[in-house]
Amino acid sequence: ETGVTQSPTHLIKTRGQQVTLRCSSQSGHNTVSWYQQALGQGPQFIFQYYREEENGRGNFPPRFSGLQFPNYSSELNVNALELDDSALYLCASRKDTHYEQYFGPGTRLTVT
Amino acid sequence: GQQVMQIPQYQHVQEGEDFTTYCNSSTTLSNIQWYKQRPGGHPVFLIQLVKSGEVKKQKRLTFQFGEAKKNSSLHITATQTTDVGTYFCAGFNDYKLSFGAGTTVTVRA
Repeated sequence: ETGVTQSPTHLIKTRGQQVTLRCSSQSGHNTVSWYQQALGQGPQFIFQYYREEENGRGNFPPRFSGLQFPNYSSELNVNALELDDSALYLCASRKDTHYEQYFGPGTRLTVT
Repeated sequence: GQQVMQIPQYQHVQEGEDFTTYCNSSTTLSNIQWYKQRPGGHPVFLIQLVKSGEVKKQKRLTFQFGEAKKNSSLHITATQTTDVGTYFCAGFNDYKLSFGAGTTVTVRA
């Protein structure tokens, strides 16, 4: 069984730029969620995708958007990057019939 | 919106001692989950509690869900150096998990 994978591992961007982060869900999982984890904080829910549609969103502005593909992999896009967007971005997958989530290793984004 | 709070924020433990970390939600939860994150790592699922008053054990870890399904606790006995990390509780309602800020555990050998 393949676990959740994310790419890239690390990324440095400049304020105002755009970024795309990628996630491959664990085999058999059809639901993907994205989280932002600032240093010393718990993960904050960004949004969830199921059947290629966003079906839940946290308190993040529209410049945070995503996609889910037919193979259940997913992307997180962030436009107009701000310094406060610097964080660890975590992708988590699960089966829609189960609650427990399995996290990928994350992408460390630094905005300068 | 739903808020999940954890105390203490930091727990410094002598190896071999016991400790407990507590989690409280502002709203009733469908279920509560616990995760462990090692330094530099990602959250790893430990357990899920669904029923009111439920108690589950994993070796030296005991998890409890409150009767009102608004609070939970994690008790670790005979702490070992492998217990180092941040323990998060996360409340599940509707479609999302709301994480607490975590309890960061360090162990003195």
